[in-house]
Amino acid sequence: DAGVTQSPTHLIKTRGQQVTLRCSPKSGHDTVSWYQQALGQGPQFIFQYYEEEERQRGNFPDRFSGHQFPNYSSELNVNALLLGDSALYLCASSLGGGGNQPQHFGDGTRLSIL
Amino acid sequence: GDSVTQMEGPVTLSEEAFLTINCTYTATGYPSLFWYVQYPGEGLQLLLKATKADDKGSNKGFEATYRKETTSFHLEKGSVQVSDSAVYFCALYAGGTSYGKLTFGQGTILTVHP
Repeated sequence: DAGVTQSPTHLIKTRGQQVTLRCSPKSGHDTVSWYQQALGQGPQFIFQYYEEEERQRGNFPDRFSGHQFPNYSSELNVNALLLGDSALYLCASSLGGGGNQPQHFGDGTRLSIL
Repeated sequence: GDSVTQMEGPVTLSEEAFLTINCTYTATGYPSLFWYVQYPGEGLQLLLKATKADDKGSNKGFEATYRKETTSFHLEKGSVQVSDSAVYFCALYAGGTSYGKLTFGQGTILTVHP
């Protein structure tokens, strides 16, 4: 039973570029949440997708956008990259929306901005 | 807004020592509380949870009790092993206007020596 898978594992971009990160949820899960984890910090909530809609958004600018597909997989897009966007981006999946259900995390995508 | 504060790390212990990692929270209503663990190069794994006051979550020898009167959820283990070396995150889910959002503390690095 595959868990949450994220791609790519590592990514290097330059300022001003755009990036797309991908996430496949654990089998049977229908909800995907995205988090940004800066070095030495706890994860910060970006947004959650359920039923192909953004259900909740954290304190992140509009440069951060996402999408959920009918098969429940999800993408995180970041435009006009800044140095401060360098972080580990984590995807978490769960069942039925919200946050009280156990969240299963992927191993993350390490994004480095030069 | 919701927030979680963890004790400053890193914490360094010898094998079989007693572990306590302090966690306090601020939230409206009655949040659910969680401890997650992150091993090097991996995503977060749910360690234990408690959903109401006086509940005790436990798993793999770790325990934490939901103390509403002190707004705390301290993590304890009676005898740590080298394999417990990881980063530990306390988190809360408040629901309501924070639907879908897990709020994490900054993490505590634990190193256990043989």
